[in-house]
Amino acid sequence: EAQVTQNPRYLITVTGKKLTVTCSQNMNHEYMSWYRQDPGLGLRQIYYSMNVEVTDKGDVPEGYKVSRKEKRNFPLILESPSPNQTSLYFCASSLWAGDPYNEQFFGPGTRLTVL
Amino acid sequence: AQTVTQSQPEMSVQEAETVTLSCTYDTSESDYYLFWYKQPPSRQMILVIRQEAYKQQNATENRFSVNFQKAAKSFSLKISDSQLGDAAMYFCAYRSDNNNDMRFGAGTRLTVKP
Repeated sequence: EAQVTQNPRYLITVTGKKLTVTCSQNMNHEYMSWYRQDPGLGLRQIYYSMNVEVTDKGDVPEGYKVSRKEKRNFPLILESPSPNQTSLYFCASSLWAGDPYNEQFFGPGTRLTVL
Repeated sequence: AQTVTQSQPEMSVQEAETVTLSCTYDTSESDYYLFWYKQPPSRQMILVIRQEAYKQQNATENRFSVNFQKAAKSFSLKISDSQLGDAAMYFCAYRSDNNNDMRFGAGTRLTVKP
């Protein structure tokens, strides 16, 4: 089944404890992206990747890191999480990086709480 | 930077009736793409409909259609014959032609009354 998977789905952690949220797609998509969703703000883009080893900042990159060493994986890293990073996180992918009209397929979301 | 505004935080509609969700955006670009996404209680993001700005004809997908007014920078979503399964949060989104960042509105929560 073609899909975007994220792990974990739920995570409660404490301030300063490094964590990684994994994202994987099995559709051979070039483009991958991370968003966070907060009430009243909609989804905001954190980072995106046009292909392997090519990443760029989105709207709210502060406090996050990403890497794209393999085409299928795009992990989101929080080196020192803070309570303001408590949010719902979505990973998404689309087939061609050069075609903005492509449909983005979203993962199921990761609910992160930082205490 | 481009911004997307959804001025209706909540809307409700009677089953089988028609409802229109509003979306406006701010941009200086001439080529771009607009999307409506649905997020049901399962939290899954589902593409409802999309429109290329250079196309004057409004996109339609079954019961869903858009009213794209480029000069007014407006992109409203019309849902006809509303069904209980249409109850969800709806997000309007903008994507530039020359880069790959994507901007979403704050969302409109749609309730469908039986």
